[in-house]
Amino acid sequence: GQQVMQIPQYQHVQEGEDFTTYCNSSTTLSNIQWYKQRPGGHPVFLIQLVKSGEVKKQKRLTFQFGEAKKNSSLHITATQTTDVGTYFCAGPPTGGSQGNLIFGKGTKLSVKP
Amino acid sequence: EPEVTQTPSHQVTQMGQEVILRCVPISNHLYFYWYRQILGQKVEFLVSFYNNEISEKSEIFDDQFSVERPDGSNFTLKIRSTKLEDSAMYFCASSAFRYGYTFGSGTRLTVV
Repeated sequence: GQQVMQIPQYQHVQEGEDFTTYCNSSTTLSNIQWYKQRPGGHPVFLIQLVKSGEVKKQKRLTFQFGEAKKNSSLHITATQTTDVGTYFCAGPPTGGSQGNLIFGKGTKLSVKP
Repeated sequence: EPEVTQTPSHQVTQMGQEVILRCVPISNHLYFYWYRQILGQKVEFLVSFYNNEISEKSEIFDDQFSVERPDGSNFTLKIRSTKLEDSAMYFCASSAFRYGYTFGSGTRLTVV
């Protein structure tokens, strides 16, 4: 079945360093969404990318959607301790309802002050 | 900011018992979902609900599971006869469109 894979699984950085997580789908996605889950918390929607090659920024966060719409990345510049959490990408299954999301396993980010 | 509210926050139940997990979605949202997350694992889709009926369900959502929207505001997930492997965090979510879910804080279900 369709898979959404994320790497790395874990990332430990020093505060101020940059961080990138990569997301790859086994099939073309109509859109990709990114969520952040703080430790002990629930997923919080960050952004949706729809267009091939799309790049969106939210302050220190930069999101990209690949040209083939099969991969995406989230880059955080100059990490802060508030960035700690697990970052999930998610996309609807090919041919399925747009409302059903397949989540990647997430990248757990820890930031050392 | 509007929230999705879930109750209880933690439920402990004996294997074989029925549980009902409750959710109050955001009032003007049209799409409702249940997801679950086994500890340390990824978020898994269970079911989506639109226009008072199930629009899609996963393989996990077997005959032991059911959903209802009994009164136009609450959205419930019932597990008829719980198994040990049903232990997980269950998240309710809602959305105005078919993206950008707002998740609730979750119910941690522990089956003993």
